Amino acid sequence: DAGITQSPRHKVTETGTPVTLRCHQTENHRYMYWYRQDPGHGLRLIHYSYGVKDTDKGEVSDGYSVSRSKTEDFLLTLESATSSQTSVYFCAISESGTQETQYFGPGTRLLVL
Amino acid sequence: AQTVTQSQPEMSVQEAETVTLSCTYDTSESDYYLFWYKQPPSRQMILVIRQEAYKQQNATENRFSVNFQKAAKSFSLKISDSQLGDAAMYFCAYKLISNFGNEKLTFGTGTRLTIIP
Repeated sequence: DAGITQSPRHKVTETGTPVTLRCHQTENHRYMYWYRQDPGHGLRLIHYSYGVKDTDKGEVSDGYSVSRSKTEDFLLTLESATSSQTSVYFCAISESGTQETQYFGPGTRLLVL
Repeated sequence: AQTVTQSQPEMSVQEAETVTLSCTYDTSESDYYLFWYKQPPSRQMILVIRQEAYKQQNATENRFSVNFQKAAKSFSLKISDSQLGDAAMYFCAYKLISNFGNEKLTFGTGTRLTIIP
């Protein structure tokens, strides 16, 4: 199994509060991704990173920001959480963006009240 | 934009029997990957099998095999000798091969597979 951890695994927060989710990898892979999973939508890409300090938006990036200051860590921040951001968040990694399979972390369940 | 469709929200199969999960996709590209991921109740996303579009031979992984029909844009997953541990949500996913290295996975909405003892 790919060495990917996510923290926290579960979080309950209130509308309007900032939330940061962390993804940590031990594989030294270049690419990291944040997806959200919602019923009826499968997984959708929020943001991804192709190197330290190199990030770009995915298809559902509004309301989210990311940072990557080290190869092994990719942070997802909800600046002001809303109920529509209640979801399960998955981090994924791949060695390169073109050829490689993406491997997923265990997920973080976020509930915004 | 690429889309992935899984038309079977739920399926069930008797233990030890064979089941096929359907997936179709829409793309105008010729070079891409297709994947099946399994998500058991633990919610971990586990890669089951991967198919490169340029390969005519269907991928197999032990009891799991695919039927890849490129012209029909169809990518079904066959599970042989179904086991209780196969019970999960199965997602079909598409990934374009590009020079930019930033192509995301596009997922279908999933098929929930139940194994009947």
